[in-house]
Amino acid sequence: DAGITQSPRHKVTETGTPVTLRCHQTENHRYMYWYRQDPGHGLRLIHYSYGVKDTDKGEVSDGYSVSRSKTEDFLLTLESATSSQTSVYFCAISTSGPSNTEAFFGQGTRLTVV
Amino acid sequence: SQQGEEDPQALSIQEGENATMNCSYKTSINNLQWYRQNSGRGLVHLILIRSNEREKHSGRLRVTLDTSKKSSSLLITASRAADTASYFCATDPGTGANNLFFGTGTRLTVIP
Repeated sequence: DAGITQSPRHKVTETGTPVTLRCHQTENHRYMYWYRQDPGHGLRLIHYSYGVKDTDKGEVSDGYSVSRSKTEDFLLTLESATSSQTSVYFCAISTSGPSNTEAFFGQGTRLTVV
Repeated sequence: SQQGEEDPQALSIQEGENATMNCSYKTSINNLQWYRQNSGRGLVHLILIRSNEREKHSGRLRVTLDTSKKSSSLLITASRAADTASYFCATDPGTGANNLFFGTGTRLTVIP
């Protein structure tokens, strides 16, 4: 899986609690992305990063924050989890933006908010 | 939404047959990509076709792009049971948003 590790792979959490998902890459790719996948919606971008400490919002960023303090790590935080954030979360990396290259995906984190 | 739409939503064929999936999108694009997702796994890139290209091949895969109709098709020839997966198209609108907009996918089942 192109040197991408997501952790945890599965998590169950309670409504209102903060949750942090981690994406770690060993490829030294500049771009990192967080997507969520829900039935009927395909994948939707939450946030992305184009370098250390450089991040921007995607389509569905409300309720999420991210941080990238090192090239290899991109963290996604749900500040106060809600049931609508139950989803499968995918991290992806690419050498440049989507105009030029393919994206490589991690195996996903299944998050359930109860 | 700039999201693409795949058609059909589900497709079931016999091993050895060809499978064709279609993708329609709404805005102009820089490129269009196809990805495969096996159950419980991440997406795997299959092929990228740029807006100035009309057809591209990779092994048993053939992708066409018609920008005037805002549509693309993915043809898998001589299908195998291992091709069973969901297939997604993703478009880059070239707006500098650094985002790929994914469709909802076609679920392909290849029966041995």
